[in-house]
Amino acid sequence: VQLQESGPGLVKPSETLSLTCTVSAGSIGSYYWSWIRQPPGKGLEWIGYVHSSGSTSYSPSLKSRVTISIDTSKKHFSLRLRSVTAADTALYYCAREGGPGAFDDWGQGTLVTVSS
Amino acid sequence: EIVLTQSPATLSLSPGERASLSCRASQSVGSYLAWYQQKPGQVPRLLIYNASNPAPGIPARFSGSGSGTDFTLTISSLEPEDFAVYYCLQRSRWPPGLTFGGGSKVEIK
Repeated sequence: VQLQESGPGLVKPSETLSLTCTVSAGSIGSYYWSWIRQPPGKGLEWIGYVHSSGSTSYSPSLKSRVTISIDTSKKHFSLRLRSVTAADTALYYCAREGGPGAFDDWGQGTLVTVSS
Repeated sequence: EIVLTQSPATLSLSPGERASLSCRASQSVGSYLAWYQQKPGQVPRLLIYNASNPAPGIPARFSGSGSGTDFTLTISSLEPEDFAVYYCLQRSRWPPGLTFGGGSKVEIK
């Protein structure tokens, strides 16, 4: 499976960050698909996942601002993060969970900067 | 929310030495614990899943152990390419979700 993130690299404070992850060379069905981020120089943070069935789970710290959705016909899933601040500046990864906690395929990551 | 605490934050060792990294969970995660390696500028790489199963292609010097709340990643003899940051990750059934630990850096002494 190959994953590719896409979306704006610059978002203004208070606006909505929107990213899409396109899945190629493999099936999008029957897996959990996650978004993970990493602020510059810091550790990894799980944002949330969507299952191919449409069920979702989000990090408690981000739950009030996050929506993750999936379009299996287009083989992509998306992240929307509302009301962003500078603290949301990070490298955003999409990843496939091949087994419980086993992210075996990752996108290359896309840097999103929150700045006016 | 389950919190994962990794220790030590930094481990300074020489090539050929043994590295032991700890990951402690705030409550039991069963065996749904994975380990990742990340080198500067690279995507994280899955090393171990289900606490002790090596991912495909991972060298035998990497091993994982533990269950419940205490887990260990061991590198039996450090190679130059093993100096990196290591993260643990748990997957909980209820409430459903995942959490990364804060990371442990293995640096050259």
